[in-house]
Amino acid sequence: NAGVMQNPRHLVRRRGQEARLRCSPMKGHSHVYWYRQLPEEGLKFMVYLQKENIIDESGMPKERFSAEFPKEGPSILRIQQVVRGDSAAYFCASSPFGGGDNEKLFFGSGTQLSVL
Amino acid sequence: DQQVKQNSPSLSVQEGRISILNCDYTNSMFDYFLWYKKYPAEGPTFLISISSIKDKNEDGRFTVFLNKSAKHLSLHIVPSQPGDSAVYFCAATGGGSNYKLTFGKGTLLTVNP
Repeated sequence: NAGVMQNPRHLVRRRGQEARLRCSPMKGHSHVYWYRQLPEEGLKFMVYLQKENIIDESGMPKERFSAEFPKEGPSILRIQQVVRGDSAAYFCASSPFGGGDNEKLFFGSGTQLSVL
Repeated sequence: DQQVKQNSPSLSVQEGRISILNCDYTNSMFDYFLWYKKYPAEGPTFLISISSIKDKNEDGRFTVFLNKSAKHLSLHIVPSQPGDSAVYFCAATGGGSNYKLTFGKGTLLTVNP
């Protein structure tokens, strides 16, 4: 669990600002996944990325949200023009093989986004 | 549209006794099920999993049972320990996209000394 690094741990933004959440996967993992947990809810899949590629973004809201995983550096989840409904815990996970049979995801400690 | 349901928000048991956490699902495409454990301010940690070709999987104090006809699974922890106190999430996946987990809302387990 400690191997997936997310920062910041807490992020406070005012409505209309941009939020950038960072995730460094475990060493040796090239597959990254973002999940969101709204208050009183379970985690929900947002997007799956490999280096420089978005593999599956079926869980991402169509507007204001974007994600990238560049060749160098961490994966970034970007939320533009945040609204109060974006307040949630955002978890990043990584895996070595991309969700194959019986594969486990390793989660980071999350970023708690609060929108004022 | 909740495809994975954990109907008990919380459960309290005495140390040394058995903890049974339940989970129901509705999607027949799910073929792989997992339990994650989460402490406050930490991310979920994988605990145990089961494939739909099995009805039981055991790992130390943790056993997961799967009843496909009832679309129900349960996690048994025996004996329960205070360190097991955490939120337990049931998750399911299938259809070839094993990275796309569908989580329940979680059950807060409290093990009293």
